[in-house]
Formats: sequence, structure tokens, C-alpha cells
Amino acid sequence: DIQMTQSPSSLSAFVGDRVTVTCRAGQDISNYLAWYQQKPGKVPRLLIYAASTLQSGVPSRFSGSGSGTEFTLTINSLQPEDVATYYCQRYNTALALAFGGGTKVEIK
Amino acid sequence: QVQLVESGGGVVQPGRSLRLSCVASGFTFSSSGMHWVRQAPGKGLEWVALVSLDESFKNYADSVKGRVTISRDNSKNTLYLQINNLRPEDTAVYYCARDLNLLLDYWGQGTLVTVSS
Repeated sequence: DIQMTQSPSSLSAFVGDRVTVTCRAGQDISNYLAWYQQKPGKVPRLLIYAASTLQSGVPSRFSGSGSGTEFTLTINSLQPEDVATYYCQRYNTALALAFGGGTKVEIK
Repeated sequence: QVQLVESGGGVVQPGRSLRLSCVASGFTFSSSGMHWVRQAPGKGLEWVALVSLDESFKNYADSVKGRVTISRDNSKNTLYLQINNLRPEDTAVYYCARDLNLLLDYWGQGTLVTVSS
């Protein structure tokens, strides 16, 4: 099963809070997991790849972890500019590329 | 800098066909695989298709397989997506994106396809 399941589908937190988003794969994908950020009205941006490697220019408050079937995106100290929808993507094989359903992050 | 500019979207009747284009600049187009990804209004990202740098490999999402063809013209730095027998559920913004080892590192601004009678 190539499906990627994200939870929660949305969350609301205060500025400065730690936020965690989970992504589950239907099968073992090792660490072939990426995270993308899509701000409102904008194009998606690659944030993290290989489960935990930050793309150049991404603030260090973002981090990723996990392997196999369960992965986590963490935002330490949520900032107003982090309001966005976050998507995970599996990329262990070109025969099974897929995005998760997305997690919308808002500020309380 | 890397630029990807999509075109070809519009309002199309169900059952008709459409060809989307994506013109690339700022990098060696013939050295990169390319993707199409779509996003229905208010919905999430859906990966659609991938083509290798020389068209030797192509893959499609199950949801579009048999109706969609991805192709490229390296002499024109252009990526294409042919969509046949359009359905209302094909209504979406279609993005092209550059491939980086199956990651999507640069995205275009997208072109909107609306399927409606």
C-alpha cells in the first residue's frame, strides 16, 4: 500500500509552542520521506528530505525524525510565518510516489 | 535562477482533451527528470506523473493512468502533459516540478484546469 497518512489534518497552536505532525507509510520506506511546506496562496517548498535533513535555507526550528513507517515533523517555537499546510512525500521508488493528505497549521 | 512556467490551462468540457506545457529555464533541462503534480481546489497535493531526462522511464498515478501522457522536448526545454477524456475530478491547479532523486526541488506557479460543461 503506497498511501501516506498524516495526522492531525489540522492543528492550532500558540506562537512559541512546539508543534508535531505525524506521517505514516503503508509499508517500510526506510528514510525516503520528505516534507513540503505550502503557505496560503503559494507554491509548495521542499523543507526536509531523507526524513531528517533540512533543505538549504530552512530555519533550524524545523526538524524531522523517523524511519520505516512512522515519521514526525516538529516545529520548535512556532512562528507566525510557519502558518501553512505541511505534506509528507514518500520517494523510496519511482513506482510509488505519493503525498500525504496534508496538515494545516494555524496560530491561536 | 530556476524557472518553471506552466501554460495551457483553462475551462474545458468533460470528455475533451487538453495539453499542458511547462517551459524551463535556469538549469540544464535535459539533465533532469520532471514531474507533474496537481491540487484540486481546497485539497491536497496529488502526484500525477514523472518522466526521466531522456523519456526512457515514465510513471503515472493510478488515478490518471491510461488517460494521461507525460512527454518532453529537450530541444525546447519544455515538458508536456496530455490529458484525455477530461472529467470534473480533473479540475485542479497543475504544477510542473523538477526532479532531484525523486524529490521535487523547484515548482512552477501552476496552471488551472477547470472541467465543466
